[in-house]
Amino acid sequence: SQTIHQWPATLVQPVGSPLSLECTVEGTSNPNLYWYRQAAGRGLQLLFYSVGIGQISSEVPQNLSASRPQDRQFILSSKKLLLSDSGFYLCAWSVGTGIPYEQYFGPGTRLTVT
Amino acid sequence: GIQVEQSPPDLILQEGANSTLRCNFSDSVNNLQWFHQNPWGQLINLFYIPSGTKQNGRLSATTVATERYSLLYISSSQTTDSGVYFCAVNTGNQFYFGTGTSLTVIP
Repeated sequence: SQTIHQWPATLVQPVGSPLSLECTVEGTSNPNLYWYRQAAGRGLQLLFYSVGIGQISSEVPQNLSASRPQDRQFILSSKKLLLSDSGFYLCAWSVGTGIPYEQYFGPGTRLTVT
Repeated sequence: GIQVEQSPPDLILQEGANSTLRCNFSDSVNNLQWFHQNPWGQLINLFYIPSGTKQNGRLSATTVATERYSLLYISSSQTTDSGVYFCAVNTGNQFYFGTGTSLTVIP
């Protein structure tokens, strides 16, 4: 069966510090991968998605970047965090080329920027 | 992008009551999912339902794709049903989420 891991689970970082959040998927090949941010407990905002290694699409211009160095690994980064980067970050995966099927979510990382 | 609206935004129920949550979307979609976000933030898949009706225990869902809406029915609600319910639609490689319905079930 497929599983998705995210770490760390929680993170407190000062403004201006770098960020690296990692997501890995097990039990499937060539998944579509997604990063979302949820602020204030409602409304998921799609940040990035990837349909393959090295292929990243950005939905919202911002202080963040994403990379996919391996088939089942997706990394969210920032060089300098802003207060507005605080939130709940969720990684998700799906399969399907062109028309993805069901999307499955990881447990999330709660980021507080102080 | 597609606009996804959910109603009601908030709902308070007595344990044992039934409820209907609605999801409207602004354009044709490839598929639709319903999720439950528990108090710990985990998004749990409830239904993958691009069209038709599905049932899983006390929950059921209906999607009428031609009229661009989906309904989630919760019967005999329990306190463990509390949380936020999201619908999400998909076109191409992107998924669009509604703003959710926050459900509180009171014992």
